[in-house]
Amino acid sequence: GEDVEQSLFLSVREGDSSVINCTYTDSSSTYLYWYKQEPGAGLQLLTYIFSNMDMKQDQRLTVLLNKKDKHLSLRIADTQTGDSAIYFCAERLDSNYQLIWGAGTKLIIKP
Amino acid sequence: DVKVTQSSRYLVKRTGEKVFLECVQDMDHENMFWYRQDPGLGLRLIYFSYDVKMKEKGDIPEGYSVSREKKERFSLILESASTNQTSMYLCASSSRPPGAYGYTFGSGTRLTVV
Repeated sequence: GEDVEQSLFLSVREGDSSVINCTYTDSSSTYLYWYKQEPGAGLQLLTYIFSNMDMKQDQRLTVLLNKKDKHLSLRIADTQTGDSAIYFCAERLDSNYQLIWGAGTKLIIKP
Repeated sequence: DVKVTQSSRYLVKRTGEKVFLECVQDMDHENMFWYRQDPGLGLRLIYFSYDVKMKEKGDIPEGYSVSREKKERFSLILESASTNQTSMYLCASSSRPPGAYGYTFGSGTRLTVV
């Protein structure tokens, strides 16, 4: 079945770049998303990438998409303490338009 | 500012009680969803709805039911609350099909069943 996989934890030093990785299974997915969840809150859309793009940049965020390997990554430049959160990757299945979610990667910032 | 509003941030209920979790969206979205979130298990879909009075089971519907009498409101019902239903519950909505904006989530309801 469809599955989205991500590591559960990532630890980085403040000021370094964070790279969160995700693999997905449906090669026909048109949209892939990154969401952020701060402690005790709901999920907030950070960014998305359309399947005909390889890269998308938005201020400190860079999304890379490798369709051949079904690999998606989110790079956060100059990581700050406010970036501490759980980051979820999701793909939109084009068969039924549902979003399939990864388990979330908890980003831990070390001073 | 468009939003999804969940009626309670925190709830404490007793085992066996009937519990209602309410969700309202103001974006005229067709789709609405209920998830539960537990540490290490990610998001698990309980029920969803593509239209008024319409519902579909998700991955873990047992012990839950839903109601969608109006387009903007989607209610999750725990018929007889049990301690294993202690969790964070998240409501979401989307257009049909979800495009660049994906799903919009509420702030969540943390339910404790004692």
